[in-house]
Amino acid sequence: QKEVEQNSGPLSVPEGAIASLNCTYSDRGSQSFFWYRQYSGKSPELIMFIYSNGDKEDGRFTAQLNKASQYVSLLIRDSQPSDSATYLCAVNQPGTYKYIFGTGTRLKVLA
Amino acid sequence: DAGITQSPRHKVTETGTPVTLRCHQTENHRYMYWYRQDPGHGLRLIHYSYGVKDTDKGEVSDGYSVSRSKTEDFLLTLESATSSQTSVYFCAISDSGLAGVGETQYFGPGTRLLVL
Repeated sequence: QKEVEQNSGPLSVPEGAIASLNCTYSDRGSQSFFWYRQYSGKSPELIMFIYSNGDKEDGRFTAQLNKASQYVSLLIRDSQPSDSATYLCAVNQPGTYKYIFGTGTRLKVLA
Repeated sequence: DAGITQSPRHKVTETGTPVTLRCHQTENHRYMYWYRQDPGHGLRLIHYSYGVKDTDKGEVSDGYSVSRSKTEDFLLTLESATSSQTSVYFCAISDSGLAGVGETQYFGPGTRLLVL
């Protein structure tokens, strides 16, 4: 069983809509959760991190964490074509300095 | 942008040859990581370092070795390159203060390696 799972997509949404990206993880001890955006041929860049249950908002982005259900999600409001990328979920591995990454969800925002 | 550079950015080599990739940071971060990224597998940890001369293995460490003699440099060596090591390699840094509570990782630009 993969430790961090994401739907590979592509997830297609029209411009201006809300994109919802989901990630589940297997280790209940994980405490830190990260969303990265990766454009084709580029390196991952951090969008948001979240440590506590609930929502965390930053501009058009909202991260949601539910530790009881072991999922973390990323909402992108007012999606733009420039948001088209692969979104990677990362989770810390408890007791170590390691991180586990999901395989990413490819988002396509249609103009 | 975090001050992370990788060299070379692109390399073509032949099976059986040794290859060394370099990661250099100017952030004075304690932790450095080497990942490889392949289609369908996402980012997989090869090795990481938690201080000068302190390294540990990741999930795909076979065929790779690392060294860190200075805070700013982390070298990844493919002892004898194989075609299965064709990949994009990313270096990352973080300044995590507590084990088990991850701090943000920042990634370098990547190195594309082709092993023929």
